[in-house]
Amino acid sequence: NAGVTQTPKFQVLKTGQSMTLQCAQDMNHNSMYWYRQDPGMGLRLIYYSASEGTTDKGEVPNGYNVSRLNKREFSLRLESAAPSQTSVYFCASSRGGAADTQYFGPGTRLTVL
Amino acid sequence: GENVEQHPSTLSVQEGDSAVIKCTYSDSASNYFPWYKQELGKGPQLIIDIRSNVGEKKDQRIAVTLNKTAKHFSLHITETQPEDSAVYFCAALQGDSNYQLIWGAGTKLIIKP
Repeated sequence: NAGVTQTPKFQVLKTGQSMTLQCAQDMNHNSMYWYRQDPGMGLRLIYYSASEGTTDKGEVPNGYNVSRLNKREFSLRLESAAPSQTSVYFCASSRGGAADTQYFGPGTRLTVL
Repeated sequence: GENVEQHPSTLSVQEGDSAVIKCTYSDSASNYFPWYKQELGKGPQLIIDIRSNVGEKKDQRIAVTLNKTAKHFSLHITETQPEDSAVYFCAALQGDSNYQLIWGAGTKLIIKP
């Protein structure tokens, strides 16, 4: 039982490049989330998926797209990376909504030059 | 929308003493308030939560209190130990959403031996 896994752990991009962050959970959770964490700002929700086949915008969705590939997997795509997207990205999952315990992955540290 | 403020940003206490971290929120419709602990290099982990129909909740050395009238809630850790050193985040569920937590900026707790 691995919980929530994320790949890659680290990534360096040049401005304008694209990439996809992968996330998978093995807890049969319905809901999945993508957050970014910046120094001094806590976590901010980018997108979430309440159930397989649905996705919704969070607090800071601009510049990102997501795909809920199946119940286990939820990916985050940066189409044209910008230095402002330098951050640590966390994926999380919960059985129901956000009032259920959210289980977080180990994070992806992304640097955009 | 919801806004969550967290204080202090850094807290240093002697091992064995108590630590208190405070958060205020703005949305009177918020009804769920979790606290997460983040250790270095890891994702956040839920340590305790409280719902708006309860004023206080305890779990061994940690407790959370909620004052809905004043719109603030606090985390109390007693008999602090070295393993309590971490960053602690409060959050509030946005009143019009089942999926969006608004997070405080975090408190770095340092336990001095």
